[in-house]
Amino acid sequence: DAKTTQPPSMDCAEGRAANLPCNHSTISGNEYVYWYRQIHSQGPQYIIHGLKNNETNEMASLIITEDRKSSTLILPHATLRDTAVYYCIVRRGYQKVTFGTGTKLQVIP
Amino acid sequence: SAVISQKPSRDICQRGTSLTIQCQVDSQVTMMFWYRQQPGQSLTLIATANQGSEATYESGFVIDKFPISRPNLTFSTLTVSNMSPEDSSIYLCSVETQKTGGLNTEAFFGQGTRLTVV
Repeated sequence: DAKTTQPPSMDCAEGRAANLPCNHSTISGNEYVYWYRQIHSQGPQYIIHGLKNNETNEMASLIITEDRKSSTLILPHATLRDTAVYYCIVRRGYQKVTFGTGTKLQVIP
Repeated sequence: SAVISQKPSRDICQRGTSLTIQCQVDSQVTMMFWYRQQPGQSLTLIATANQGSEATYESGFVIDKFPISRPNLTFSTLTVSNMSPEDSSIYLCSVETQKTGGLNTEAFFGQGTRLTVV
């Protein structure tokens, strides 16, 4: 699996958009970009994933650059409940999920 | 989607004893995985639980310490054997399912078992 690089921590004001970056410069053509988050003391939760097109669901938006070497997860209106560790992972389907250290997002009132 | 039930949710165990953690899924899944999350750390894959054959262990994990069973497509167990305080961690079960209408997949995780060894 390609390696990802994320900032260790970020702060975001409640109600504002949280933009979480991820670099994956060695991603291969058949690898997807997945985002998960882990709220304290819970199991990781799937957020969104994409291959090359931008994606949006009820939780977030995923923006992938044209060269696919980086992506940004956008939480449009962050709430206190979005405080969590966010993991960016690149992988093919039916492969083990390898977690990096992620970004610890703190939403501030 | 898949709903995963993990038991127990937490336990405090004496060193030298063993604990078996159960993972039950509400649907048949091809792939099941066991992870460990040490305090303040990210998740580390222990092994892939294979139905009908021996589990596939990652580097640093061995069958004698973490025996795994996978008797069918909805159930697996992980045993933490001869425990020491260093085994105090959260242990998580994960399954992989195919997303509807596509070739890619989605991973679901249980809520984990918080183990403290004293």
